[in-house]
Amino acid sequence: GAVVSQHPSWVICKSGTSVKIECRSLDFQATTMFWYRQFPKQSLMLMATSNEGSKATYEQGVEKDKFLINHASLTLSTLTVTSAHPEDSSFYICSVAGSSGRVRSTDTQYFGPGTRLTVL
Amino acid sequence: SQQGEEDPQALSIQEGENATMNCSYKTSINNLQWYRQNSGRGLVHLILIRSNEREKHSGRLRVTLDTSKKSSSLLITASRAADTASYFCATRGNQFYFGTGTSLTVIP
Repeated sequence: GAVVSQHPSWVICKSGTSVKIECRSLDFQATTMFWYRQFPKQSLMLMATSNEGSKATYEQGVEKDKFLINHASLTLSTLTVTSAHPEDSSFYICSVAGSSGRVRSTDTQYFGPGTRLTVL
Repeated sequence: SQQGEEDPQALSIQEGENATMNCSYKTSINNLQWYRQNSGRGLVHLILIRSNEREKHSGRLRVTLDTSKKSSSLLITASRAADTASYFCATRGNQFYFGTGTSLTVIP
């Protein structure tokens, strides 16, 4: 499967600051990446679908101006949590869809290890 | 919502026993997938079953799919302590939707 990395793995920040989380696909070109949020002991909630070279598609209820997504290349997507508040504290996970080589199938997702955000 | 629901929410078994988790969903799907998540970590893809398949095996894993009942089950045979994790089903229709998850504890 695909190898996906996220950076940082854990970030603690003060309320009001912005935090950028990177998601990289290491061994193939991903035209589509997904961003999820997971609260403790809960399932993953899709936040947005990130498409290379175009605007992200956000799920209902997710604020576009608060969660900025940039998918500037086929191997990198970033999620910026702007003016973070304690309620934004969560586990953020990205994933890429498809198999090695150029993505053709979106049947299977490969997940990054996640980024734990703690906002004080 | 197309989100799957899983039961049980939590399952505790002795090492060597079999563990069965169920997933139900609401709308038509192209495929259903099972993922595993260790505490505080990312998800690992376990197995995918397509809507025209009824059963699939991978090592100690056995997945069934009943599209008429909109349900799937994941069976882990001869469980090991290392199988302790949360297991999620995910349905693929127009989008991916994850189930609520089953927390499995295998007691050595």
